Amino acid sequence: EVVLTQSPGTLSLSPGDRATLSCRASQRLSGNYLAWYQQKPGQAPRLLIYGASSRATGIPDRFSGSGSGTDFTLTISRLEPDDFAVYYCQQYLNSPRTFGQGTKVEIK
Amino acid sequence: EEQLVESGGGLVQPGRTLRLSCKASGFIFEDYAMDWVRQAPGKGVEWVSGISWNSGTTDYADSVKGRFTISRDNAKNSLYLQMNSLRPEDTALYYCGKVVGATWGYIEYWGQGTLVTVSS
Repeated sequence: EVVLTQSPGTLSLSPGDRATLSCRASQRLSGNYLAWYQQKPGQAPRLLIYGASSRATGIPDRFSGSGSGTDFTLTISRLEPDDFAVYYCQQYLNSPRTFGQGTKVEIK
Repeated sequence: EEQLVESGGGLVQPGRTLRLSCKASGFIFEDYAMDWVRQAPGKGVEWVSGISWNSGTTDYADSVKGRFTISRDNAKNSLYLQMNSLRPEDTALYYCGKVVGATWGYIEYWGQGTLVTVSS
């Protein structure tokens, strides 16, 4: 099973700040089969990024994904009030298609 | 507009069974793999199970293997999760998700979930 470790657990930032979220895999993810999701309170998760760096339909360009192998990053260039949420990474290379434990981005 | 509506959740005693359903609309259901993902109260999300477009491949998390069975009826645009021998740790909001491909992949669209509570 591929274990995904997200860091930090919580990120306290202000609107307009840059957010950098990390996701580290216990095994190399060939093909960069990694996705990022955003979840707001009381809502289902929403796909942001797939293939480590491709934005899903309708996702603003302030969200970007990067990385390869075992180390991946989600960057939010300038936080807007709507971006304060929990973010999860998921690998879909192997079954079980595991998620990281999440990073909460909160208002400082 | 794509839509996934889960149903079948509720309060159930440990050791009992429950069957969840997910009704799909707004896309060609038979073309896509589907997943179940759950989220315990106040916790992160956990992938539970997945099924390919033609039911030829099914996968399960170790935590539910042997107790849960995923299935689909393409004629009814419906996905199911049969949950047997339920445990208190199965208490969660269960989401169904439309997978990007026909066999496996990331979840490109999520339902709103149905709540399962396992308690005596």
